[in-house]
Amino acid sequence: DTAVSQTPKYLVTQMGNDKSIKCEQNLGHDTMYWYKQDSKKFLKIMFSYNNKELIINETVPNRFSPKSPDKAHLNLHINSLELGDSAVYFCAAGRTGKGTQYFGPGTRLLVL
Amino acid sequence: DAKTTQPNSMESNEEEPVHLPCNHSTISGTDYIHWYRQLPSQGPEYVIHGLTSNVNNRMASLAIAEDRKSSTLILHRATLRDAAVYYCILTNSGGSNYKLTFGKGTLLTVNP
Repeated sequence: DTAVSQTPKYLVTQMGNDKSIKCEQNLGHDTMYWYKQDSKKFLKIMFSYNNKELIINETVPNRFSPKSPDKAHLNLHINSLELGDSAVYFCAAGRTGKGTQYFGPGTRLLVL
Repeated sequence: DAKTTQPNSMESNEEEPVHLPCNHSTISGTDYIHWYRQLPSQGPEYVIHGLTSNVNNRMASLAIAEDRKSSTLILHRATLRDAAVYYCILTNSGGSNYKLTFGKGTLLTVNP
């Protein structure tokens, strides 16, 4: 079983559309994260959720909204997509206060 | 966040040991040293972490300097599958406000 899974793996869409990326973890960890890796390969945290509560929100445009229906899921909804949103988005899961995080395979978003 | 410095790239031959250095001169007493790696087109993968003592696991060894201002990730016998970007990250446990701050990492090339 995959520990952290994301869907879809690839997402190609037009500017202005709204899209969602789903993330699920079966590790039983209480904290989930979203990271963004841009074209220059820099990986940067966007959000973290702990027990369904938003903990970290790193100066991300409010077009991005994380939603955690339960501890095993953290979805990322993006409104009014822009060209600059094209990137690879990684979900991760970990335990509170621990530096070991387990990452999903990534969702490659291309905005045309 | 305390900063780490790594060489941009390193090269190794298959089945030879690889020593990946990391400087972290501003490390605080409670910072853990974590190593992650990212294989091409995959999400980051946890490798190893330590606080003060050297650590070994099935993937690698971590040698930490006595003053903790530097560390070295050791791959005992490099394989082609070890070709990846290796990230040295300082983490501070405690609380739920927790994130991994990725730098540029070291791109390891393994020659057959």
